[in-house]
Amino acid sequence: EVQLVESGGGLVQPGGSLRLSCAASGFNLSSYSMNWVRQAPGRGLEWVSYITNSSRTIYYADSVKGRFTISRDNAKNSLYLQMNSLRDEDTAVYYCARKTFFDYWGQGTLVTVSS
Amino acid sequence: QSVLTQPPSASGTPGQRVTISCSGSSSNIGSNTVNWYQQLPGTAPKLLIYSNNQRPSGVPDRFSGSKSGTSASLAISGLQSEDEADYYCAAWDVSLKGVFGGGTKLTVL
Repeated sequence: EVQLVESGGGLVQPGGSLRLSCAASGFNLSSYSMNWVRQAPGRGLEWVSYITNSSRTIYYADSVKGRFTISRDNAKNSLYLQMNSLRDEDTAVYYCARKTFFDYWGQGTLVTVSS
Repeated sequence: QSVLTQPPSASGTPGQRVTISCSGSSSNIGSNTVNWYQQLPGTAPKLLIYSNNQRPSGVPDRFSGSKSGTSASLAISGLQSEDEADYYCAAWDVSLKGVFGGGTKLTVL
């Protein structure tokens, strides 16, 4: 069974940093591209970042470019999102999702940016 | 303001057929395939339709998708109470960014 489990969310002050993790099981992570998608409270879905299976190609939304870094460790079956210079508007549930059409999603981890 | 435009709400009675529209541009829907997601209250989104009209295993054939030009539609026939959820369309843009619609809240009356 394909499973994605996010972790690392929490409360952080504006300007702070946080690193999210996504643990994959039930499939070979090294064969698939991955994404991060977020959802602010009461709002819609927003794509954040994409990485190919080899990490050779990476894309970011304009709203996070230069502040967030996506990475992966296929040997550890894990995907990461390093978030720096966090802003109030980054408050959201962050999901990892598989493939270019997001066929599987994790349950999400809540990031709250507030002083 | 979402890149793809969806109606904020839709409704129908049990057994009815409802459609949800998704409007984009030549740089996203006009150039790439469309996917649809269902998000039940308090849960993560779930893939409903991919590549415009393909259903993943386990998705009932009551759900169907179509695309024409720069617009797409999701149709739900034989509406059931458990279909009450938020529905999102998504596509890739030629600018190499993923784009979503703002979501449509479906109410089963």
